[in-house]
Amino acid sequence: TQLLEQSPQFLSIQEGENLTVYCNSSSVFSSLQWYRQEPGEGPVLLVTVVTGGEVKKLKRLTFQFGDARKDSSLHITAAQPGDTGLYLCAGGGGTSYGKLTFGQGTILTVHP
Amino acid sequence: DTEVTQTPKHLVMGMTNKKSLKCEQHMGHRAMYWYKQKAKKPPELMFVYSYEKLSINESVPSRFSPECPNSSLLNLHLHALQPEDSALYLCASSLGAAGAYTGELFFGEGSRLTVL
Repeated sequence: TQLLEQSPQFLSIQEGENLTVYCNSSSVFSSLQWYRQEPGEGPVLLVTVVTGGEVKKLKRLTFQFGDARKDSSLHITAAQPGDTGLYLCAGGGGTSYGKLTFGQGTILTVHP
Repeated sequence: DTEVTQTPKHLVMGMTNKKSLKCEQHMGHRAMYWYKQKAKKPPELMFVYSYEKLSINESVPSRFSPECPNSSLLNLHLHALQPEDSALYLCASSLGAAGAYTGELFFGEGSRLTVL
């Protein structure tokens, strides 16, 4: 069974601070996706990374895929209250044929 | 706006009721999914349909019965549920069928189910 360990589980910060969320596994994934979910809504895809060492930027969000495709990170610069939500990493491929393996999620709260 | 539409948004049912959750997508996606999500937890996969055929059942109790009438519609029939089944039920779709590269998921807003 493939597992994705996501950390930290909870993050409470002030507006303007930077933060990093980590997603680690002992398994190789063919793709790694990051989703954000706001209360009362479904998860929304932020980015997909597929190449080892890949870095993608989405405004203040920077996503990295590890060289060995076993880990990923999400860095947010100058967090804003609108960034508040549940962040989920999800790995695709590998031995989990046909389904994504989700991390446990990071609940981020950004205080004004 | 999400392109995966789920109805109803909220549902309250007793343990002897029969109800259904509905999901619709018009993106031409060939894979559709049901997930169950408890508060502050990641979604848990229940079922996957690929090209309208059930391809994955994650050992879900038979009181949950999925149905895929066509490539755009996905239903989840509920019968004799337990209070612990109360959760957010998410429908999702992806462009490709299940495979070595799992497609990006487009989720609906979910149906909040409460079982009394």
